[in-house]
Amino acid sequence: EVQLVESGGGLVQPGGSLRLSCAASGFTFNSYWMNWVRQAPGKGLVWVSRIKSDGSTTRYADAVKGRFTISRDNAKNTLYLQMNSLRAEDTAVYYCVRGYSGYEVWGQGTLVTVSS
Amino acid sequence: QSALTQPPSASGSPGQSVTISCTGTSSDVGGYNYVSWYQQHPGKAPKVMIYEVSKRPSGVPDRFSGSKSGNTASLTVSGLQAEDEADYYCSSYAGSNDCVFGTGTKVTVL
Repeated sequence: EVQLVESGGGLVQPGGSLRLSCAASGFTFNSYWMNWVRQAPGKGLVWVSRIKSDGSTTRYADAVKGRFTISRDNAKNTLYLQMNSLRAEDTAVYYCVRGYSGYEVWGQGTLVTVSS
Repeated sequence: QSALTQPPSASGSPGQSVTISCTGTSSDVGGYNYVSWYQQHPGKAPKVMIYEVSKRPSGVPDRFSGSKSGNTASLTVSGLQAEDEADYYCSSYAGSNDCVFGTGTKVTVL
């Protein structure tokens, strides 16, 4: 079964850091672009970042550029999102997503809450 | 990286059709045939319904169809059913390996 399972979410204070992980299974992880997409409570989907299958190319939304870093470990079939200098507006469910021209596989999401 | 524009809501009676628009610019929707559409039920992860403007993944009913004209893409749901009531989002490739989502449309089956 193709599956993506996120972990690492939680409550963090403004200015703090958090690292999200996404464990992939059931497909050849190193063949796919991977993404992080977030959704603030009651709001719409927002693309955050993506990384090429071999890790050679990364892209970021303007809102997180310079604060977030996407990476992957193809040997461990795992995607990461290192989030630094967190702000209240980063509060959201973060989804790990497989795909490039269409996002065909989504994880269940992990909630990140930035609050003092 | 401005969000694509969708109407906040759309509705139709069972059996009717509803069409949702997704308006961008020549730098995203109008510039590439990489528009996709997602259905999201409350508390659930999104599900892709259409990719590359008009392609349907296996398992998605043919009641769902996509098209594009200029800077505006559209999703049409024909023969509306109760289970089609959900939020729908478009997304588009935006050049330089970037992506942008739409603002979302809540579809209500009357």
